[in-house]
Amino acid sequence: EVQLVESGGDLVQPGGSLRLSCDASGFNFNDYWMSWVRQTPGKGLDWVAIISEDGSEKYYVDSVKGRFTISRDNAEKSLSLHLNSLRVDDTAVYYCVRELWGDLWGQGALVTVSS
Amino acid sequence: EIVLTQSPATLSLSPGERATLSCRATQTVNFLAWFQQKPGQAPRLIIFETSKRATGIPPRFSASGSGTDFTLTISSLEPEDFAVYYCQQRNTWRRFTFGPGTTVDLK
Repeated sequence: EVQLVESGGDLVQPGGSLRLSCDASGFNFNDYWMSWVRQTPGKGLDWVAIISEDGSEKYYVDSVKGRFTISRDNAEKSLSLHLNSLRVDDTAVYYCVRELWGDLWGQGALVTVSS
Repeated sequence: EIVLTQSPATLSLSPGERATLSCRATQTVNFLAWFQQKPGQAPRLIIFETSKRATGIPPRFSASGSGTDFTLTISSLEPEDFAVYYCQQRNTWRRFTFGPGTTVDLK
């Protein structure tokens, strides 16, 4: 089955860190750019970061630059997002997305930043 | 940064009616997509490259536009079409942004 499955969502204190993972299956993972998109509870969608097929290119939304790091392991068919210096406004559901125009999304991982 | 606005914020219609959703950009957009999201679910791609239907999307969904003005049309609403619809621009190199969404709900 073609799917993306996120894991690693948790409750973390402001200033803390977290690592989200996304496991891909059912398709040639290393053929696709991949991204992370987040959604604040009850609100809209915000694109966060994107990585090229071989990991050589990475781009971030300004609000997470220097705090979040996107990476991938093509051998393991896995995408990661390292979240550092977390803020309350980073609270959201984080989705892993296959970037053939965003044609495949995971089910999401909830990150809650609160003291 | 390209900012997208969507109108109306909410569209209240009945099954069988036509839905017309608008997405407007602050700068020319060359590549636009539309996503559908239902409660408790991840977004789903319905339109890419402004007017192409994604795999499995029925022909009652159509889209058009150019420059800064884009439209998604659902020709005859089915019960499963009541959802939130987001447009997304892919103009800025690898820095995509979404519109705030239009909710299509049952009148």
